[in-house]
Amino acid sequence: GNSVTQMEGPVTLSEEAFLTINCTYTATGYPSLFWYVQYPGEGLQLLLKATKADDKGSNKGFEATYRKETTSFHLEKGSVQVSDSAVYFCALDTGFQKLVFGTGTRLLVSP
Amino acid sequence: DAGVIQSPRHEVTEMGQEVTLRCKPISGHNSLFWYRQTMMRGLELLIYFNNNVPIDDSGMPEDRFSAKMPNASFSTLKIQPSEPRDSAVYFCASGLIGTAPSEQYFGPGTRLTVT
Repeated sequence: GNSVTQMEGPVTLSEEAFLTINCTYTATGYPSLFWYVQYPGEGLQLLLKATKADDKGSNKGFEATYRKETTSFHLEKGSVQVSDSAVYFCALDTGFQKLVFGTGTRLLVSP
Repeated sequence: DAGVIQSPRHEVTEMGQEVTLRCKPISGHNSLFWYRQTMMRGLELLIYFNNNVPIDDSGMPEDRFSAKMPNASFSTLKIQPSEPRDSAVYFCASGLIGTAPSEQYFGPGTRLTVT
């Protein structure tokens, strides 16, 4: 079946550090891939997306590249800020209008 | 655009009571999703609608849960009778099926506490 696996959190970093949150997926076909972010007390917001192999999604300094050969979609940011503290969800859409979410990774950034 | 609107934002009720959660999707969207989020189980899709028609309710935990979408601008999720294990944050999301890839826009959630 379709599934998403994310690294366990929390990920704790100092401000301006480099961020990587790993995401791998299992799917039939060629899914679209997403990263959503959830700030405390809020709903999920779409952060970035990629629709085909080798596509790079980017937004607000975050990037992720769709790697079909390794079935991965790792989230990266070169320099994190305190305001990036949130829970990050990797997700895939196999085309049936249902998103399959990972379990989420909490990021804590300290000044 | 006001985004997805959910009400109430917080609900505290006693076991056995009926609970109704409400959602107004973004105008023009044709799909609507209800999710439940808990620490133990993460984010679970309960049911989703396309053009007001329920497409997949396989995530609805049991018969105590029901959802309706009488028109394109309103949906409800009802729990009757409620139990303490139903305590969670319930999210509504809407999207526009037919655009690729499908994106979902989440409301702020309703935090339900059943005592």
